[in-house]
Amino acid sequence: EPEVTQTPSHQVTQMGQEVILRCVPISNHLYFYWYRQILGQKVEFLVSFYNNEISEKSEIFDDQFSVERPDGSNFTLKIRSTKLEDSAMYFCASARAGVNIQYFGAGTRLSVL
Amino acid sequence: QKEVEQNSGPLSVPEGAIASLNCTYSDRGSQSFFWYRQYSGKSPELIMFIYSNGDKEDGRFTAQLNKASQYVSLLIRDSQPSDSATYLCAVKGNTDKLIFGTGTRLQVFP
Repeated sequence: EPEVTQTPSHQVTQMGQEVILRCVPISNHLYFYWYRQILGQKVEFLVSFYNNEISEKSEIFDDQFSVERPDGSNFTLKIRSTKLEDSAMYFCASARAGVNIQYFGAGTRLSVL
Repeated sequence: QKEVEQNSGPLSVPEGAIASLNCTYSDRGSQSFFWYRQYSGKSPELIMFIYSNGDKEDGRFTAQLNKASQYVSLLIRDSQPSDSATYLCAVKGNTDKLIFGTGTRLQVFP
């Protein structure tokens, strides 16, 4: 069964460093998302992406964040200068056209020290 | 602020019983409703989705939607210890983003 894959599974970084989280969505999906979940809290929407552009972003998704689809398979989330409060699980999700059912990857646990 | 509310639990049920999980939402324009299961330290896994008022059954799971009362529920029949997890209610309005509740922790004891 096709699945969303995310790498790395765990990323440790120093405050102020840049990180790139990578996702390979399900192959025939056209809609891509990033969510995050701080430990013990709810899953929060960050950004949605379709047709090579951001379609919606939340208040969390400030200028420190960016997304890119550098090729036909990868979808990345970049955090330019990480803060302690960026420590969370980051989930990538994808959905195919016409059916808004989002399937989640296993997540990347980001630890900012 | 569009909210999705769930009782955090834990909801404890014996093996074989029916577990009933509830969710309310604030945005009357919400269109699609999803139940995800999340094991500790894992990602959300889609269990059910429902778009129309009424019941939708899939195996041991039944989703119920009442748009007039703005609630959606999930029934799990013949609960198993492997069903022990946190169940997340998620709601979609007129955009693509999912708004999640905090989840209800379900414990099924043998």
